[in-house]
Amino acid sequence: DAKTTQPPSMDCAEGRAANLPCNHSTISGNEYVYWYRQIHSQGPQYIIHGLKNNETNEMASLIITEDRKSSTLILPHATLRDTAVYYCIVSSNTGNQFYFGTGTSLTVIP
Amino acid sequence: EAGVAQSPRYKIIEKRQSVAFWCNPISGHATLYWYQQILGQGPKLLIQFQNNGVVDDSQLPKDRFSAERLKGVDSTLKIQPAKLEDSAVYLCASRLMMNTEAFFGQGTRLTVV
Repeated sequence: DAKTTQPPSMDCAEGRAANLPCNHSTISGNEYVYWYRQIHSQGPQYIIHGLKNNETNEMASLIITEDRKSSTLILPHATLRDTAVYYCIVSSNTGNQFYFGTGTSLTVIP
Repeated sequence: EAGVAQSPRYKIIEKRQSVAFWCNPISGHATLYWYQQILGQGPKLLIQFQNNGVVDDSQLPKDRFSAERLKGVDSTLKIQPAKLEDSAVYLCASRLMMNTEAFFGQGTRLTVV
């Protein structure tokens, strides 16, 4: 079952940073935080993942709090094509399960 | 590299009929997942395979749904008989190993009328 809580929707102005929060207060020590997004009628697309250190790639940055109970996905310069549903997932390196929650619907506004 | 392939892309059937979906994961990926995504909801894990063994099928409605992964490669998901509430997108995903990303196919959109 999903172990994450996300706001159902957010808006962001085009060109501004989009900061998407995720609460995973019951995360255990061997669980990673993954972020995916899903654009209408497509399969989920991987964005980034991390364990406890902040991570950055060409798409986004992932900030994980020191106690690991929450994280924030940052899209540094949102474009209209970033409009999608964003899912935060915790997955252990033992069971390998991958459970989705309800996600955040991000709308980038021109 | 080639992605996860699913077919068919769309399927319309009448209730009580049977239907099967096919998934070809990325070569070498040991873990394969099937998800059901009802409109407006997040994907729900139905079954997870590790090679050709089932790891988790706790959310699979076993009275009507079945899945297999022959030789640890391709997989099929079957519904028999279908109900109206089975209308959804069925997603397949594969993963090389733990702590790596899972790759998703485009899904099969099933409509039961």
